[in-house]
Amino acid sequence: EVQLVESGGGLVQPGGSLRLSCAASGFTVSSNYMSWVRQAPGKGLEWVSVIYSGGSTYYADSVKGRFTISRDNSKNTLYLQMNSLRAEDTAVYYCARALRIEVAEYYFDYWGQGTLVTVSS
Amino acid sequence: SYELTQPPSVSVSPGQTARITCSGDALPKQYAYWYQQKPGQAPVLVIYKDSERPSGIPERFSGSSSGTTVTLTISGVQAEDEADYYCQSADSSGTFVVFGGGTKLTVL
Repeated sequence: EVQLVESGGGLVQPGGSLRLSCAASGFTVSSNYMSWVRQAPGKGLEWVSVIYSGGSTYYADSVKGRFTISRDNSKNTLYLQMNSLRAEDTAVYYCARALRIEVAEYYFDYWGQGTLVTVSS
Repeated sequence: SYELTQPPSVSVSPGQTARITCSGDALPKQYAYWYQQKPGQAPVLVIYKDSERPSGIPERFSGSSSGTTVTLTISGVQAEDEADYYCQSADSSGTFVVFGGGTKLTVL
C-alpha cells in the first residue's frame, strides 16, 4: 500500500528556515517523480517543486532560490528545505507522488496528509 | 504566467448533474486532471488525462475536453460529492504544473 507521511512543519519566524520530510512506503521514491504542493489557509492548491527520477529539479517562481527539494534514497524520503521564509509561505505542505505522462508532464496519484507551516513573528 | 480558470462555485440538487469547467489556452495541447478535496483532507485524483477515471472512483465522475475548456461532470450528484474540485495541467511548454483556482460544489 502506498503511503506518504509528512513531518517537520511548525511555527517559524520570518527569515527563518525549516526542513520538511516526506517518508514514503509501498514504492521507491527514487524511481518516481515526487513533488511538493502547498495550500495557504482558505486558498487553492499551488505547485511548489518537483524532483524527477533522474534527479532534475524545478521550482515555482515564488520559491525559486529559497527552497530546495531533495531525496534520500536510503531512507526512501523526500525533503523540502525552506529558507528565507516569508509570511506568504504559510500553508499546508503536501508531498505527492507524480506519475509521468511526458518528460515534463505529470499528475499526482498519491498525496500525504500534509504538514502545516506557519511563518509569523 | 499561465492560468487555469474555474468558476468559484457550482450548486446542484441531489440526483442532478453538476458540470465544472476549467479554461486555459494550453489545454488543447496539454492533458487536464481533476482532484476532489474535502475539508481537512488531502486532494484525491478523480480524473486523469482529460477523461480517464482511476480505479475506485465512481462511474458518475467523467471528464471531457473541447478546445480550451475541459469539463468535469458528476452525474446523479450525491451529498458526499460536496467538496472543492481543482483542475490541473501544465503550461504550453510543459515545464510547470498549474492548478485552477478551485470550484466549491454545493449539494443543496
